[in-house]
Amino acid sequence: DQQVKQNSPSLSVQEGRISILNCDYTNSMFDYFLWYKKYPAEGPTFLISISSIKDKNEDGRFTVFLNKSAKHLSLHIVPSQPGDSAVYFCAATGGGGADGLTFGKGTHLIIQP
Amino acid sequence: DTAVSQTPKYLVTQMGNDKSIKCEQNLGHDTMYWYKQDSKKFLKIMFSYNNKELIINETVPNRFSPKSPDKAHLNLHINSLELGDSAVYFCASSRLAGGQETQYFGPGTRLLVL
Repeated sequence: DQQVKQNSPSLSVQEGRISILNCDYTNSMFDYFLWYKKYPAEGPTFLISISSIKDKNEDGRFTVFLNKSAKHLSLHIVPSQPGDSAVYFCAATGGGGADGLTFGKGTHLIIQP
Repeated sequence: DTAVSQTPKYLVTQMGNDKSIKCEQNLGHDTMYWYKQDSKKFLKIMFSYNNKELIINETVPNRFSPKSPDKAHLNLHINSLELGDSAVYFCASSRLAGGQETQYFGPGTRLLVL
């Protein structure tokens, strides 16, 4: 039972354009959402997060939007750069305590020159 | 300096063997985790330790036993390895326990059971 879903296994975007990565979740207890970026043969690296009390969080070129009613979040990268090519994981947690993260399967973003 | 390190990076072994994966963090964090990424690429939490005490133990076979000798180390011992244990195992740490604490991941240990 996938509680966090990333339905696009891959996404190809031209350099300089906007990349939009989507994520859906089913567990209403989730109250904190994160995006991680992963290069081959490396561990995931934290990118940006958002609390359920907000609907938007911005950090430089990266913006995460949260739509709680739709149980949907998205990561916008603008402008996209070649170094952004990586696998992006959406993750969620909730309920407090030493929560492990629940991850989606990831979306492989390819930035084309 | 690597913040979260794991050894070995690759591990190839036969079914039935016992093996250990070591994890160390030099961030001064209180909480450490083990995740498993299976062949379908899902990253799933296995264990969480806070100040050397077990906090989370997901539905993991008891052949898997985490051991935390101190706050900076969380090792994973696996007994009687099975083919299905083949996966990438990631260690992570966070400053404190709590879902909103950023988790920092190690580079992963690629385990192949033959």
